[in-house]
Amino acid sequence: KAGVTQTPRYLIKTRGQQVTLSCSPISGHRSVSWYQQTPGQGLQFLFEYFSETQRNKGNFPGRFSGRQFSNSRSEMNVSTLELGDSALYLCASSLGPLGGELFFGEGSRLTVL
Amino acid sequence: AQTVTQSQPEMSVQEAETVTLSCTYDTSESNYYLFWYKQPPSRQMILVIRQEAYKQQNATENRFSVNFQKAAKSFSLKISDSQLGDTAMYFCAFMLLSGGGADGLTFGKGTHLIIQP
Repeated sequence: KAGVTQTPRYLIKTRGQQVTLSCSPISGHRSVSWYQQTPGQGLQFLFEYFSETQRNKGNFPGRFSGRQFSNSRSEMNVSTLELGDSALYLCASSLGPLGGELFFGEGSRLTVL
Repeated sequence: AQTVTQSQPEMSVQEAETVTLSCTYDTSESNYYLFWYKQPPSRQMILVIRQEAYKQQNATENRFSVNFQKAAKSFSLKISDSQLGDTAMYFCAFMLLSGGGADGLTFGKGTHLIIQP
């Protein structure tokens, strides 16, 4: 059974650009959530999608957005990139939204110059 | 808002020893889950153990066990017979259950555990 797949694994952008990250959950998983990991702030919840609907959102500005497709794959987008957006972005999938085990991907490492 | 505190930024023990990682949390809610996740140097987070708040019995998974003290809002992880492969960052996490679903995980800052040969 394939795990959670995140693409791209590494990317470099400059301030003001935008970026789209992709996450393919484990087959059969319908819930996808996103986390930002930085040395200073640690792991912070961005948002969660279940059946193409955003269920929860963390305390991030509107520049951070996401969506989920009918096949449960999810994308997150960050517009007008800032230096502080440099981070490891982790995607996690689970069967449903009821507190079950989260399976994490290896993450997408974003560097903003 | 919920908070999770891990007071030990780094710990180092010898292989085969037992080690306990501390975690405290703050919430006024009663329906939640607690987790310990492990993040090895390869970066993929792995669930170590999960505890439902309504369960009084402490969760165990092979060499890993927790000491869940609900009144004290404490959730420590004990690793017995530690192995070199246990070297990793360990994160304590809280998940609130509400409205028929669950909120996102709130993580502590992590404890870097080093197992020495």
